[in-house]
Amino acid sequence: GDSVTQTEGLVTLTKGLPVMLNCTYQTTYSPFLFWYVQHLNEAPKLLLKSSTDNKRTEHQGFYATLHKSSSSFHLQKSSVQLSDSALYFCALSADASSGSWQLIFGSGTQLTVMP
Amino acid sequence: EAAVTQSPRNKVTVTGGNVTLSCRQTNSHNYMYWYRQDTGHGLRLIHYSYGAGNLQIGDVPDGYKATRTTQEDFFLLLELASPSQTSLYFCASSDLGAEDTQYFGPGTRLLVL
Repeated sequence: GDSVTQTEGLVTLTKGLPVMLNCTYQTTYSPFLFWYVQHLNEAPKLLLKSSTDNKRTEHQGFYATLHKSSSSFHLQKSSVQLSDSALYFCALSADASSGSWQLIFGSGTQLTVMP
Repeated sequence: EAAVTQSPRNKVTVTGGNVTLSCRQTNSHNYMYWYRQDTGHGLRLIHYSYGAGNLQIGDVPDGYKATRTTQEDFFLLLELASPSQTSLYFCASSDLGAEDTQYFGPGTRLLVL
């Protein structure tokens, strides 16, 4: 079945450094990938999404590129800020034409940015 | 931005008790979802619906019932609550299905003693 893997459970960085949060997926259908962010005691919110192969998608300083050849959708930022401390979820939705239209979430990566 | 509200925000019950979690969205979205969030598991889909009267089973439906009474309202029912159902529950809505953004409510924290 479809699945999403986030290999890092916890990432701790100093402010100003770059970050990459890993996300790989498995599906036999045309993938649609999402990154959701959840700040402490808040609801998850969409950060960015993509279904276009090899095209960089950006939002709020974060960016990700869907690579179908490697089944990856890693989230990156060139310089993290204290306010970026949050739980980040990668999620996969199979193409609606498959008949499957639910989001499958990874286990999440907690990003903590230190001063 | 889409508005999704949940009630109650916190709930404590005992093993075997009945619990109903409520969700309302005011943006006429077609789809509504119930998730549970547990450390190490991310968000797991319990039930979802694509319209009033419709119900679909998610990935972790055991012990839960759901009902979509109107376009706006989606309820999650725990008829015989167990400690394993202690969790943070989120409701979400989206207009379309697979590729659409989901908007989440603030969550309900449930403790089953």
